[in-house]
Amino acid sequence: AQSVTQLDSHVSVSEGTPVLLRCNYSSSYSPSLFWYVQHPNKGLQLLLKYTSAATLVKGINGFEAEFKKSETSFHLTKPSAHMSDAAEYFCVVTPNNAGNMLTFGGGTRLMVKP
Amino acid sequence: AAGVIQSPRHLIKEKRETATLKCYPIPRHDTVYWYQQGPGQDPQFLISFYEKMQSDKGSIPDRFSAQQFSDYHSELNMSSLELGDSALYFCASSLGELAGAEQYFGPGTRLTVT
Repeated sequence: AQSVTQLDSHVSVSEGTPVLLRCNYSSSYSPSLFWYVQHPNKGLQLLLKYTSAATLVKGINGFEAEFKKSETSFHLTKPSAHMSDAAEYFCVVTPNNAGNMLTFGGGTRLMVKP
Repeated sequence: AAGVIQSPRHLIKEKRETATLKCYPIPRHDTVYWYQQGPGQDPQFLISFYEKMQSDKGSIPDRFSAQQFSDYHSELNMSSLELGDSALYFCASSLGELAGAEQYFGPGTRLTVT
């Protein structure tokens, strides 16, 4: 079985400062990992994915994430937050041994202060 | 670019009624997934279809059924609705069902059961 844990339910940053959203995963097999973003009353948008290629993954809107097997982590970062980044972020895992159903973490609500 | 289309966007039903949600995947995508997101919760996988056959099954109640048609669109049929079925229902599509295939989400159908 696989699971993801997002270590912070809420993160607050000031505009222009770095963003760090933490995610740890558990999987019996080498997983595929994703970050999705959900703006209020909107659908889910794929930010980036890791599928056993490069460990540093670059996504859209300046976000990137680093896969660290030794730490079972897949933290999401951005050098400088924008007001438009305020949203709910989900770390997501899917096993590489069976199916493609997504297992979501509990989500992290990112708030950006002016 | 064409995205996943879901209809209706909003639906209000009474207890014990039935509801049908529709999903039209991105053109050429052959795999469809259904997720349920309750208030304040992360999305939970319900069921998926690949090439019109059920691929994986998650926490879908027996009162719900789904299918994928020859044009790859999918319908989620919900009967004997309960108050707890009130949620945002997302459909996602991908090209292929292999693990790691990127899933693109629709805007969701918000179901309210009164």
